[in-house]
Amino acid sequence: AQTVTQSQPEMSVQEAETVTLSCTYDTSESNYYLFWYKQPPSRQMILVIRQEAYKQQNATENRFSVNFQKAAKSFSLKISDSQLGDTAMYFCARQGGSQGNLIFGKGTKLSVKP
Amino acid sequence: GAVVSQHPSWVICKSGTSVKIECRSLDFQATTMFWYRQFPKQSLMLMATSNEGSKATYEQGVEKDKFLINHASLTLSTLTVTSAHPEDSSFYICSARDRPGSNQPQHFGDGTRLSIL
Repeated sequence: AQTVTQSQPEMSVQEAETVTLSCTYDTSESNYYLFWYKQPPSRQMILVIRQEAYKQQNATENRFSVNFQKAAKSFSLKISDSQLGDTAMYFCARQGGSQGNLIFGKGTKLSVKP
Repeated sequence: GAVVSQHPSWVICKSGTSVKIECRSLDFQATTMFWYRQFPKQSLMLMATSNEGSKATYEQGVEKDKFLINHASLTLSTLTVTSAHPEDSSFYICSARDRPGSNQPQHFGDGTRLSIL
């Protein structure tokens, strides 16, 4: 089965600190896309960052960056200068296949403490 | 841009009732929409892929006669939970791509919380 694994069910970080959420995946495809989505208590799914597998450069969006290790099939998310509003569930997802289906990990619940 | 609207946001109904959930792309056309289900404290599980003008593709284990999907236009897909029972209570969420290409990101609706009494 082609899966996405998030090994940290819960994490906490102090405000203004940096935290890294881990994600590994399995795929037999050569070209695919990886995503991190944020789901706050409102349950809205918000795209945080996106990585194209054929690009070696790690994606960055303001305080959010990824460490993409293609050979290791690893895709971690680093949040710098954590803010209270970053408190949410974070889901790692892989997109691929003919229809571009998203396969999600089980999520990591992040709590940012004041 | 790229707004996906889902309606209703919350519905409570009696067992045996059929419930229709709408997913609309407000400012773009979507040939493909996706329907997910999320149980409390769990991840999103793809239920089906909805293609405009053709039959939906259901994931293994999802009853197509139970969860009817219609994608009659480029901006609207509907999910009907037929003869709903308490075990169908869940959070249902749709998504769509605003650009062609299977690798384009998906934009999500706000979800529908379905509670069957």
